[in-house]
Amino acid sequence: AQSVSQHNHHVILSEAASLELGCNYSYGGTVNLFWYVQYPGQHLQLLLKYFSGDPLVKGIKGFEAEFIKSKFSFNLRKPSVQWSDTAEYFCAVNAGNTGFQKLVFGTGTRLLVSP
Amino acid sequence: DAGVIQSPRHEVTEMGQEVTLRCKPISGHNSLFWYRQTMMRGLELLIYFNNNVPIDDSGMPEDRFSAKMPNASFSTLKIQPSEPRDSAVYFCASSPGSQANSYNSPLHFGNGTRLTVT
Repeated sequence: AQSVSQHNHHVILSEAASLELGCNYSYGGTVNLFWYVQYPGQHLQLLLKYFSGDPLVKGIKGFEAEFIKSKFSFNLRKPSVQWSDTAEYFCAVNAGNTGFQKLVFGTGTRLLVSP
Repeated sequence: DAGVIQSPRHEVTEMGQEVTLRCKPISGHNSLFWYRQTMMRGLELLIYFNNNVPIDDSGMPEDRFSAKMPNASFSTLKIQPSEPRDSAVYFCASSPGSQANSYNSPLHFGNGTRLTVT
């Protein structure tokens, strides 16, 4: 079965610091990878996704993620965080050959950006 | 587009009572999902439907949980009887795409129902 690990449960950064959130998945076949963000009091929103092609994916609000197949990783990065990036971030994976969308989410990483 | 609509936003009930959560997916979306979010376990997929048909309910914790989708614009998640350990935020999500290509369609989440069982 697929699983997703997010090793950082809580991250605290100052504004302008660089961010990298780890995500590792377990599945040997073709995968589709996602990062979702949940701002305080809001629902989850798609941040970025990877299906194929360039392993470096650009998302909204200056976020990017790199798919490294050999490491089964899809880490999220942002060069300079802002206070408004305070949120919970979820990595998710879907096996691409299932024919149906069945996302498996990681347990999330809570990011607090102090002004 | 109003997005995925869930009701109620908050539900507080006593142990043993029946709880019904409701979801209206985005019009035209073929897939609907129910997730449960807790601090301990994060986001867990409970069940998902495609074209109103339950495809995978392996995430439903036990027989006390049931879900229905009588038509393309409405789904319910029912807990009977409820227990304190059911306290969580329950999210409904929908996604577009046909059965063949729905795997690469992003999910659109509702605002969730925060359930508290005392």
